[in-house]
Amino acid sequence: AQSVTQLGSHVSVSEGALVLLRCNYSSSVPPYLFWYVQYPNQGLQLLLKYTSAATLVKGINGFEAEFKKSETSFHLTKPSAHMSDAAEYFCAFEIADTGRRALTFGSGTRLQVQP
Amino acid sequence: EADIYQTPRYLVIGTGKKITLECSQTMGHDKMYWYQQDPGMELHLIHYSYGVNSTEKGDLSSESTVSRIRTEHFPLTLESARPSHTSQYLCASSERNRGAEAFFGQGTRLTVV
Repeated sequence: AQSVTQLGSHVSVSEGALVLLRCNYSSSVPPYLFWYVQYPNQGLQLLLKYTSAATLVKGINGFEAEFKKSETSFHLTKPSAHMSDAAEYFCAFEIADTGRRALTFGSGTRLQVQP
Repeated sequence: EADIYQTPRYLVIGTGKKITLECSQTMGHDKMYWYQQDPGMELHLIHYSYGVNSTEKGDLSSESTVSRIRTEHFPLTLESARPSHTSQYLCASSERNRGAEAFFGQGTRLTVV
C-alpha cells in the first residue's frame, strides 16, 4: 500500500543547529510529495512540494528538501534552527496516476528548538 | 494568505445534538476535503469532493456526512454527536490539477460532553 513514514515523532535541536526531519515514501510510482507545518491551534501551511520538476526543492522559512528516488526519501532540512521553527511538521503525498486525488499525511514530527 | 474559513473555531456540545461545521473558500477551488486530527496525531481524510454534487468518503470511517451544493461551501454534519466525535476537524481546498497545494482552514475543535 502507498504510504509515507516519518521517522521520529519528536526531534529536539538547539537554536542554530541543523534541522533534519525524515520522510520515506512507499509507492510503485513516484508520488507528488509535500511538507506542511502546523503551529499550535492552527491549520496547516505548505512549506514546499515536489512535483518532479527538480529533485532539490526550496521552500519558505529557509527549509528545503531533496527527493531521492533510490532511497524513496524526501527529508526536510534547514541549516540553522530558529526558535520560531518549533511546530509540528507533516510529510504528505498524492499518488500521481490513480483516481484518488487527495493528500495522505504521515504521522507528524514535533520539532522542539532549545535556546 | 489562504481564503478558507471554518466556523466555529471551538464548539462544546452535549451528546445527541446535531451539529454542522462550516467551511467556505473564496478561491474558486474545485476540490475540498475534511480531515480529522486528534491532538498531537496525524490527519485522517474523512471526506472529499471534486466539485459541486460530488462527495466521496475518505480513509477513516466517519459517521459524519457532507454536502457540496455550491463550489465555495463544504459543510460537515453530525446528526447525533457522541463523545467519540471529540476531535479537531480541518477543512482544506485545492485546485483540480494533480500536485496542487492544499490550503487549510484554522480548524474546528469539537468537544462532545
